Amino acid sequence: EADIYQTPRYLVIGTGKKITLECSQTMGHDKMYWYQQDPGMELHLIHYSYGVNSTEKGDLSSESTVSRIRTEHFPLTLESARPSHTSQYLCASNVGVPDTQYFGPGTRLTVL
Amino acid sequence: KNEVEQSPQNLTAQEGEFITINCSYSVGISALHWLQQHPGGGIVSLFMLSSGKKKHGRLIATINIQEKHSSLHITASHPRDSAVYICAVGPGAQKLVFGQGTRLTINP
Repeated sequence: EADIYQTPRYLVIGTGKKITLECSQTMGHDKMYWYQQDPGMELHLIHYSYGVNSTEKGDLSSESTVSRIRTEHFPLTLESARPSHTSQYLCASNVGVPDTQYFGPGTRLTVL
Repeated sequence: KNEVEQSPQNLTAQEGEFITINCSYSVGISALHWLQQHPGGGIVSLFMLSSGKKKHGRLIATINIQEKHSSLHITASHPRDSAVYICAVGPGAQKLVFGQGTRLTINP
């Protein structure tokens, strides 16, 4: 079982709130990813990091931001949540090229 | 046209049936991944393969690099196999491109 954690698992908030979705892994993986998945749709990469102080935007445009100050921690922040941000957010990590990605349980976000 | 296409999109079968899910891709890849996503949303990596065939329990994954095609087979299917199965390809530098998933329902 993969040691990658996400909190919260479910979040319902009002429009305009600032939120941070947490992702942490205890496997020492350098590479971490954030994916967004709408119900019944495919995953889309929104952010990734290849190591501490390294972050890049993914293929899907997102209004969120990320940081990578520690290897094990890759939080995602929405400065002002909107209903269009309602989705599931999945965090993943891996090591080498190529290497299987380990996924967290996901955060299901609803913005009212 | 998506870079990764899966078929069928939905599949319902009876317990015990042999299941095949197909994945075709149009990009060059270094590896192909099969993932399983349960209703709660959690994703588990089933296979990563770049050639040939891999087997894990009742699951078998094959890939044909020349034809840019992979299949996931489940033998003696069981209701607990009900999930969404996702094909993803890695064109090179880690970033994965995902298919839309195949929703599998196995009835007892």
